[in-house]
Amino acid sequence: KQEVTQIPAALSVPEGENLVLNCSFTDSAIYNLQWFRQDPGKGLTSLLLIQSSQREQTSGRLNASLDKSSGRSTLYIAASQPGDSATYLCAVKGTYKYIFGTGTRLKVLA
Amino acid sequence: NAGVTQTPKFQVLKTGQSMTLQCAQDMNHEYMSWYRQDPGMGLRLIHYSVGAGITDQGEVPNGYNVSRSTTEDFPLRLLSAAPSQTSVYFCASSTTGDEDTQYFGPGTRLTVL
Repeated sequence: KQEVTQIPAALSVPEGENLVLNCSFTDSAIYNLQWFRQDPGKGLTSLLLIQSSQREQTSGRLNASLDKSSGRSTLYIAASQPGDSATYLCAVKGTYKYIFGTGTRLKVLA
Repeated sequence: NAGVTQTPKFQVLKTGQSMTLQCAQDMNHEYMSWYRQDPGMGLRLIHYSVGAGITDQGEVPNGYNVSRSTTEDFPLRLLSAAPSQTSVYFCASSTTGDEDTQYFGPGTRLTVL
């Protein structure tokens, strides 16, 4: 059974820091991995999607990597801003089923 | 283009009552799904559908029913509400391709007393 873990559960950093969020999964037979952002009381917004054949994806200050063989993905946020404060979730896609991690709650202090 | 819409936004039920959470999408997506989000447990898949007339169970299907009579709509029915079903419910849709992301609705916050 696929299990997805995100460490740390919460993170507080000063503005301007570069930071890394981690996601690990137990079954490497995935079709893709996605990173989402969730603001309090809101739905999820997709940030990046990495297909199983890809190693990384970039969007602006965000870079996500995928190492299927070791069951790991990282989300790198460059030059963090207070507006980046949110919960970040990763999800892996199996056959028609997405399994989510429990998320990392990020607070960027001004 | 409204994306994924969910109604109601909030609902309070008494134990044993039934209700239907509505979900609709206007992107012609084949795949639709329902999740529940509980503190410390992330999102868990309840049911999903890969097209009209086709549904299947996710991780936590007990106590819930779904149907998919059209591409656009995917309602979630609570048959006999229990306090353990107090949660935030999200509906999502996507194409069935492996390169396409899921789009989420704003959620329904359900409390069962």
